[in-house]
Amino acid sequence: AQSVTQLGSHVSVSEGALVLLRCNYSSSVPPYLFWYVQYPNQGLQLLLKYTTGATLVKGINGFEAEFKKSETSFHLTKPSAHMSDAAEYFCAVSGTSGGSNYKLTFGKGTLLTVNP
Amino acid sequence: NAGVTQTPKFQVLKTGQSMTLQCAQDMNHEYMSWYRQDPGMGLRLIHYSVGAGITDQGEVPNGYNVSRSTTEDFPLRLLSAAPSQTSVYFCASRDRANTGELFFGEGSRLTVL
Repeated sequence: AQSVTQLGSHVSVSEGALVLLRCNYSSSVPPYLFWYVQYPNQGLQLLLKYTTGATLVKGINGFEAEFKKSETSFHLTKPSAHMSDAAEYFCAVSGTSGGSNYKLTFGKGTLLTVNP
Repeated sequence: NAGVTQTPKFQVLKTGQSMTLQCAQDMNHEYMSWYRQDPGMGLRLIHYSVGAGITDQGEVPNGYNVSRSTTEDFPLRLLSAAPSQTSVYFCASRDRANTGELFFGEGSRLTVL
C-alpha cells in the first residue's frame, strides 16, 4: 500500500521568503508523485508531477519539486513567496502500471499562509 | 469548456434522507472518481470507475453507491445519510493516457443534520 506524509499541517512565511513544503512517501516501487494546490472554495489543480526522467520538476507559478529516491521525498519549493500563493497544498502518489496508476493517494495537506 | 461539473454545490440533509450528487465531464475521460475532503484528513477516495459499466470501491466506500452508465456521468448516491457524511465531495476525472493529472470539479458541500 502507498502512503504520503506531509510534515506540517500549517506553514507560515513572509512575502518574498522561501517556501518549503515537505512530503515523504511510502511505496514498494518507485511511484508517480504529484503536488496539487487548492484555493479557497475551489477544487484541486495540478502544480507539478514526477513520472520519469529528470528528478527536478518545474511547475506552474514558479514552484518546483525534487524527487529524491534515497530519502523517499518530494518536497515542494518556491524561492520567493507571493501573497497569491496562500492556499492548501496536497502531495499525492500513485502507482505506475496497470490499474494502480489510476488511484491517487493524497497526503493530509499543508495550509500555506503568506504574511505581508 | 466546462470540464468537470458537480451539482448541487450545497445541500443540507436530515439523518436518514437519501440524495444523489451529480458529476458530469465533457472531456471523454475514461476514469472518474469521487473523493471526500474533511479537515485534517486530506482527500479520501470513495469510489472510482475506469469506464462505463465498471466501478470499484476506494478507501471509504461504506454508505455510498455509484454507477457508470455513460462515459460522461458518474453520480454518487447516499442511501441513508448520517452526520458522519457531512463533508465536501469532489468528483475528478482523467484519461487513460494522461499519467496522473486529475481534473477536479468545484466540490459539493454536504451537511447532514
